[in-house]
Amino acid sequence: GAGVSQSPSNKVTEKGKDVELRCDPISGHTALYWYRQSLGQGLEFLIYFQGNSAPDKSGLPSDRFSAERTGGSVSTLTIQRTQQEDSAVYLCASSFPQRGEDVNNANYNEQFFGPGTRLTVL
Amino acid sequence: GQNIDQPTEMTATEGAIVQINCTYQTSGFNGLFWYQQHAGEAPTFLSYNVLDGLEEKGRFSSFLSRSKGYSYLLLKELQMKDSASYLCAPSDSNYQLIWGAGTKLIIKP
Repeated sequence: GAGVSQSPSNKVTEKGKDVELRCDPISGHTALYWYRQSLGQGLEFLIYFQGNSAPDKSGLPSDRFSAERTGGSVSTLTIQRTQQEDSAVYLCASSFPQRGEDVNNANYNEQFFGPGTRLTVL
Repeated sequence: GQNIDQPTEMTATEGAIVQINCTYQTSGFNGLFWYQQHAGEAPTFLSYNVLDGLEEKGRFSSFLSRSKGYSYLLLKELQMKDSASYLCAPSDSNYQLIWGAGTKLIIKP
């Protein structure tokens, strides 16, 4: 597709259930990011993929959160045993791979965001 | 540590000019982005500075001083649709964007 897509757009679940959120990045973008944004707050970094590997998982809030990426494309973020504090908008972004020689080219560093998944845990 | 500082909220009048400041401390630096985020929507790219100076794009301009760890976004001829949050995001030594909490800009008629 032309942009980053995410599904579902909205998810309501009961506390304790597992949820899977999906992100489909822009074709050709090998870098993929997951963020979380609570109402009225800034972006909270969760995890970064370069290809299928995740060099930076430092933002995952607990071991209930995991993410994978296969084929260097689609990524899924899984939250196990959801809690009410997990309620937020989960945003995915993709970009070209970061390379030093491209630093002057915004297109290689710019992150393109999907519309997000609004997760509500009851 | 890495830190971004922006005002939490600003108010301006339609047709006026507003400047949103951002100071940052990062481990290394590879440019700085400004994004716009309307309520309930995803952030969208506004501007990118990697060298010192002013970059102008229509009604929006962005300035960078690397030695001072300082940037600003200047919005001219404000329109009601400019009401949004504006996010300052420098890129660190690993080319990761470090996100500030954003400045909520309220435009009044």
